[in-house]
Amino acid sequence: GENVEQHPSTLSVQEGDSAVIKCTYSDSASNYFPWYKQELGKGPQLIIDIRSNVGEKKDQRIAVTLNKTAKHFSLHITETQPEDSAVYFCAATSGDAGNMLTFGGGTRLMVKP
Amino acid sequence: DAGITQSPRYKITETGRQVTLMCHQTWSHSYMFWYRQDLGHGLRLIYYSAAADITDKGEVPDGYVVSRSKTENFPLTLESATRSQTSVYFCASSVSGDEQFFGPGTRLTVL
Repeated sequence: GENVEQHPSTLSVQEGDSAVIKCTYSDSASNYFPWYKQELGKGPQLIIDIRSNVGEKKDQRIAVTLNKTAKHFSLHITETQPEDSAVYFCAATSGDAGNMLTFGGGTRLMVKP
Repeated sequence: DAGITQSPRYKITETGRQVTLMCHQTWSHSYMFWYRQDLGHGLRLIYYSAAADITDKGEVPDGYVVSRSKTENFPLTLESATRSQTSVYFCASSVSGDEQFFGPGTRLTVL
């Protein structure tokens, strides 16, 4: 089945700096890659996603890039703000499980004011 | 627009008891999912359902039972709770299975 690795597990940046979180996946048939933000005590919230026919997608301060050949994708947050502090999860579809998602282990992002 | 709700939000029970966690969505999404979230394991899929009366196992289904008689509801039952089932449980729904929207979670403690 699909295996998704996420790095780093924790990331601390200064307010205004950029943050990058990277994920690798194992199943070359995977074709959908979402990113979720989870604040303390809440459920994961979908913040951006990308499909395998696109290399990059942007939404204001966040962007996701996908390299299908290398089987990795990354989340980029620019001009970080304290409210960006949360746990971020990447995920990929599981080609052998009816297109279900497999999640990475999560990255705790801390933005210092 | 209520979206997706879970109840109860917090539950404490004892080993061996039966517990049912409820999930309700108002979007008429075909797909619904149950995940558990534990430190060091991220989110792991327990069961999912592609439509009413259709359910399938995920990565960690042992000790859990699901049913889906109506599109909007997807209850998760622990028939005989064990301490290893202490976790935070999230329900999610989706139109097509990939873009998933999560509920607020239920924190379950089994003593």
